[in-house]
Amino acid sequence: DVKVTQSSRYLVKRTGEKVFLECVQDMDHENMFWYRQDPGLGLRLIYFSYDVKMKEKGDIPEGYSVSREKKERFSLILESASTNQTSMYLCASGLGASGNTIYFGEGSWLTVV
Amino acid sequence: AQSVSQHNHHVILSEAASLELGCNYSYGGTVNLFWYVQYPGQHLQLLLKYFSGDPLVKGIKGFEAEFIKSKFSFNLRKPSVQWSDTAEYFCAVIGGSQGNLIFGKGTKLSVKP
Repeated sequence: DVKVTQSSRYLVKRTGEKVFLECVQDMDHENMFWYRQDPGLGLRLIYFSYDVKMKEKGDIPEGYSVSREKKERFSLILESASTNQTSMYLCASGLGASGNTIYFGEGSWLTVV
Repeated sequence: AQSVSQHNHHVILSEAASLELGCNYSYGGTVNLFWYVQYPGQHLQLLLKYFSGDPLVKGIKGFEAEFIKSKFSFNLRKPSVQWSDTAEYFCAVIGGSQGNLIFGKGTKLSVKP
């Protein structure tokens, strides 16, 4: 089975802190994604990556950055956390060609106080 | 840009009622379509997917969806819902070769026992 593992299920951080959310996949997928999920807004794409050291902005990249130094790992970084970044963050991975299923991690609940 | 519309924000049904959740997408080319389900407190799970072939797709737990290209629709159906189907349902599309999964805002289904 494909496994997408997010390092933290629940985090509480203070406003202004730098936050790292880590995601690891074990299926050698080229593509990795970070979404945030908010009630009534569905899942919105923050950043995605097609390959190591490659990254592309999604729909809502402001306030976030990403890092992909190794194929299996995709990190989401909140440079200076703000309360409006309180959300559920979902990592996903999939093979390069379209038409392949994308697999999700269990999510990381981030609360910024 | 691609987008996905889910017509209903919240649907409330009694057990044994039939279900149809609407999903429309905007993309003129080849698409791959998905329905994901998120049960309370759990992560996203793939319910069914359409890549090509028979436009009537059967998924897990008795769900099915029909791809109607002329209507840009991919509606989810189930003839008789159960209380355990209470969840949030997300329609998603990958358009073209990029492999980005774009989500609708979700439909919350509540099934009364």
